Amino acid sequence: AQSVTQLGSHVSVSEGALVLLRCNYSSSVPPYLFWYVQYPNQGLQLLLKYTSAATLVKGINGFEAEFKKSETSFHLTKPSAHMSDAAEYFCAVSGETSYDKVIFGPGTSLSVIP
Amino acid sequence: DGGITQSPKYLFRKEGQNVTLSCEQNLNHDAMYWYRQDPGQGLRLIYYSQIVNDFQKGDIAEGYSVSREKKESFPLTVTSAQKNPTAFYLCASSTPEGLYEQYFGPGTRLTVT
Repeated sequence: AQSVTQLGSHVSVSEGALVLLRCNYSSSVPPYLFWYVQYPNQGLQLLLKYTSAATLVKGINGFEAEFKKSETSFHLTKPSAHMSDAAEYFCAVSGETSYDKVIFGPGTSLSVIP
Repeated sequence: DGGITQSPKYLFRKEGQNVTLSCEQNLNHDAMYWYRQDPGQGLRLIYYSQIVNDFQKGDIAEGYSVSREKKESFPLTVTSAQKNPTAFYLCASSTPEGLYEQYFGPGTRLTVT
């Protein structure tokens, strides 16, 4: 069965510092992987997705993630945090078949300290 | 512009009343989903529908009901049987051609007193 874990329910970084949000997955089939961002009182917005092409995926707002099959990880990074990056971030993995739902991780709340 | 609309943004109800949350999409997506989000928690799946006139229970379906009479619409009814209905409700849609990337609506915040 598919599952997603996100290490750290809350992460704080200083403005300008590296952002690293961790995601590990379990999947019985080659997965599609996603990172979403949610700002307060809003819906989720796709940051980036891995679809079995390049293992390093670039997304919006300067974020990128690297798919590492050997580590079953899909960590999200950004070289320099901005105040506007403060939000909730969710990692997700596709289901085993086209009829299965996407599985979301519990989320990581990112705070950016000025 | 294509997207998902949810209305209203804020909804207030008295305990014991049923309430229906609207979700409409013009993305031509086959699959639609309802999630519940509580403060500090992730998304919990309530119901999902892969095709018109068919839907499946998610992880927390008790106290909720849905219908899928049209491809564009997937309304959620929160019944009086739902013990703790106050929450933020998110609707989403996806398509296999999009590799299951989910598009989310802006959400409805329901408060029941």
